[in-house]
Amino acid sequence: GAGVSQSPRYKVAKRGQDVALRCDPISGHVSLFWYQQALGQGPEFLTYFQNEAQLDKSGLPSDRFFAERPEGSVSTLKIQRTQQEDSAVYLCASCTTTPRVSGQSFDGYEQYFGPGTRLTVT
Amino acid sequence: DAKTTQPPSMDCAEGRAANLPCNHSTISGNEYVYWYRQIHSQGPQYIIHGLKNNETNEMASLIITEDRKSSTLILPHATLRDTAVYYCILDLGAGSYQLTFGKGTKLSVIP
Repeated sequence: GAGVSQSPRYKVAKRGQDVALRCDPISGHVSLFWYQQALGQGPEFLTYFQNEAQLDKSGLPSDRFFAERPEGSVSTLKIQRTQQEDSAVYLCASCTTTPRVSGQSFDGYEQYFGPGTRLTVT
Repeated sequence: DAKTTQPPSMDCAEGRAANLPCNHSTISGNEYVYWYRQIHSQGPQYIIHGLKNNETNEMASLIITEDRKSSTLILPHATLRDTAVYYCILDLGAGSYQLTFGKGTKLSVIP
């Protein structure tokens, strides 16, 4: 079946430009995550959606970063006034379940990742 | 935050077992151990997870020590396609969902 897709795969932006990165999660997946991966580092959490609700945006590095998922499926990560330090791979992941809640029996969950969008700010 | 420690790199001969260690001495009782890998230019891929017992699936085996302070991911017959960065991750606990990746172990499978 189709996995998580992201577009564009590569984006070059001049410093100060706005960019929009798209994520198409696996159909029916409730949870959606965005991560940022700098060169040579592991991915770092940016934000989390449960359906259309953005439940955690604690990882967004500044108010120039904005994410939305208006209909609970496709998500867009927008970066305004891009800076060179924004250059990274932006990864989207989706998950069929909601994260576990204290007190519930749970057996872990698997996040499915897209291929990422490599953003280069010049 | 609970943290994991992994060697930065390892080599393994093709066809041999690859044993990737991970230390997580501050793990708490309800935290799962997850393993993901990331092949070059791809997104991370889930491999396996466990809580206390050893686990096996079609990709790998996970051995967790009795005190849960360390674990080992075993790829029984490594192939060139297993060359990747392998991440050992702890689930941060109830109500949490962030995957904290760290730098992982770069496994190179050598012909």
